[in-house]
Amino acid sequence: KNEVEQSPQNLTAQEGEFITINCSYSVGISALHWLQQHPGGGIVSLFMLSSGKKKHGRLIATINIQEKHSSLHITASHPRDSAVYICAAGVGGGADGLTFGKGTHLIIQP
Amino acid sequence: KAGVTQTPRYLIKTRGQQVTLSCSPISGHRSVSWYQQTPGQGLQFLFEYFSETQRNKGNFPGRFSGRQFSNSRSEMNVSTLELGDSALYLCASSANAVNTGELFFGEGSRLTVL
Repeated sequence: KNEVEQSPQNLTAQEGEFITINCSYSVGISALHWLQQHPGGGIVSLFMLSSGKKKHGRLIATINIQEKHSSLHITASHPRDSAVYICAAGVGGGADGLTFGKGTHLIIQP
Repeated sequence: KAGVTQTPRYLIKTRGQQVTLSCSPISGHRSVSWYQQTPGQGLQFLFEYFSETQRNKGNFPGRFSGRQFSNSRSEMNVSTLELGDSALYLCASSANAVNTGELFFGEGSRLTVL
């Protein structure tokens, strides 16, 4: 059974700071998703990773398959980045679908 | 391209009743997956349907069931509702399976059980 741990649970930072959110999982996976959820809003998929690194605007996601660890970075953070960030791991061919982390509640203060 | 549509958006039921939720995926997507989100447990995977077949199932009792139609629209059903079933139910569509494809989420159906 895959277990997914996210850290930190809560993070408050000043506008412009570099943000890092971490995600660790316990078994080998085929894909890892990073999701964003605004208060009262729906969920948006930011990245899906199976290896290496992806970048989209100010967001960067990396994954280290050997260490079973992924990070989401936000450069030049902005108050509109305030949201809950959730990682989800999927085991290839497994019957368990996706396993989710508990989420990181990020607040960027102006 | 239309997004993922979930209906109804809000509903209130009483214990013992049953409920059916609907999800229309993005055109061309064959995978529809369902999730339950609660403040205590966070997001949990319910099941995934791909081309009308259930591919994966999470750790939920048999009261939770689903199906997918030939046009990829999916429904999930919860029978004999309990207070603990109160949650936001989300569906996501994907061109490929949840383990290999990008997910596109609907706005969710918020269920309150009284």
